[in-house]
Amino acid sequence: EAQVTQNPRYLITVTGKKLTVTCSQNMNHEYMSWYRQDPGLGLRQIYYSMNVEVTDKGDVPEGYKVSRKEKRNFPLILESPSPNQTSLYFCASWRSGGTYEQYFGPGTRLTVT
Amino acid sequence: GNSVTQMEGPVTLSEEAFLTINCTYTATGYPSLFWYVQYPGEGLQLLLKATKADDKGSNKGFEATYRKETTSFHLEKGSVQVSDSAVYFCALTPKGGSEKLVFGKGTKLTVNP
Repeated sequence: EAQVTQNPRYLITVTGKKLTVTCSQNMNHEYMSWYRQDPGLGLRQIYYSMNVEVTDKGDVPEGYKVSRKEKRNFPLILESPSPNQTSLYFCASWRSGGTYEQYFGPGTRLTVT
Repeated sequence: GNSVTQMEGPVTLSEEAFLTINCTYTATGYPSLFWYVQYPGEGLQLLLKATKADDKGSNKGFEATYRKETTSFHLEKGSVQVSDSAVYFCALTPKGGSEKLVFGKGTKLTVNP
């Protein structure tokens, strides 16, 4: 089954404790991206990757890091989480060319206290 | 810049009512347009899309027509069901800009029996 998986689905942590949210896709897509969803703001892109070892900032990259060492994986790293990073996070992937239809993971709800 | 404006919700309808969710966009050139749906507790999934002017996207009884003259992509359904209760997002990918989706803020739809 074609899918994007994220782990964990729920995470409660404290300010300053480094964390990683994993994302994996099995569709051999070139592109991957992280979004955060906040009430009244819709989805905003954090980072995206066009292929292995190629990443770039989205609209709200501050406080986040990413890496793309393998085509299927695109982890999101919060090295020193703060309460304003409490949000619902989505990973997405899509292939190059065509209409750029994106496939989304189920989401990770992060709470930073 | 590129942006999407959709009607604010929440929208509450009775089963079998007619649904319209307005969406207008600002973009250079000819973007691809999408409607994504987010059911409770799930990630986003593509509902329908249109890639050029006058295209009509349709799926599950939902329709939207790409209107270049009014820069609009309104979502319609003739008879909603309780199972259509979800958050609906209008989005665009800029022409030649494959790295991101630009989302509207989302419209929450509740359908009562």
